[in-house]
Amino acid sequence: DTAVSQTPKYLVTQMGNDKSIKCEQNLGHDTMYWYKQDSKKFLKIMFSYNNKELIINETVPNRFSPKSPDKAHLNLHINSLELGDSAVYFCASSQVLLAGTHEQFFGPGTRLTVL
Amino acid sequence: DAKTTQPPSMDCAEGRAANLPCNHSTISGNEYVYWYRQIHSQGPQYIIHGLKNNETNEMASLIITEDRKSSTLILPHATLRDTAVYYCIASFPQGAQKLVFGQGTRLTINP
Repeated sequence: DTAVSQTPKYLVTQMGNDKSIKCEQNLGHDTMYWYKQDSKKFLKIMFSYNNKELIINETVPNRFSPKSPDKAHLNLHINSLELGDSAVYFCASSQVLLAGTHEQFFGPGTRLTVL
Repeated sequence: DAKTTQPPSMDCAEGRAANLPCNHSTISGNEYVYWYRQIHSQGPQYIIHGLKNNETNEMASLIITEDRKSSTLILPHATLRDTAVYYCIASFPQGAQKLVFGQGTRLTINP
């Protein structure tokens, strides 16, 4: 009964390939996020979707394209992978209330290694 | 969102209270203080949040100074499983939150 799940857990691929990471939440939340944690351990937000609508889009190369088929899923597709894309990617979800949201639930992460 | 400053590392003996400080001198009136932690290789985990008043839940207590320029997270009886990086974040609660994680404090609980 995992709250936020990600697949795959590990992803090793060659430069130039295209890959996707999937995220699913079973908490009934309306907002989902993607964060990137680089080798220096800094955790930065990339995207956020609310009810399948993109609402946060940080300065991320357009090789990264999030896709939200429904409220429970937010997938991350990466084209033309580069060495610098190697990182741990975390998905998160929250319920945005009228008065604000107070907790994001994070998935276990996907460790992407680009060779 | 206001910038926060935390010590890079702290140690605490198992069973003792761990007090983690955070400075947020530029916090605005309606920004909340949030604490998350990240245990090695896992996703961040929410701990507690507050605006003005001190808060307590089953995990920790949060003490916010009257001027709201600093706060302290208290783990009352630290265990080895509390070893993690702790992040203090100042953020507006409206809408989807863009949590800005700083370097955090690496807390090591020693047996």
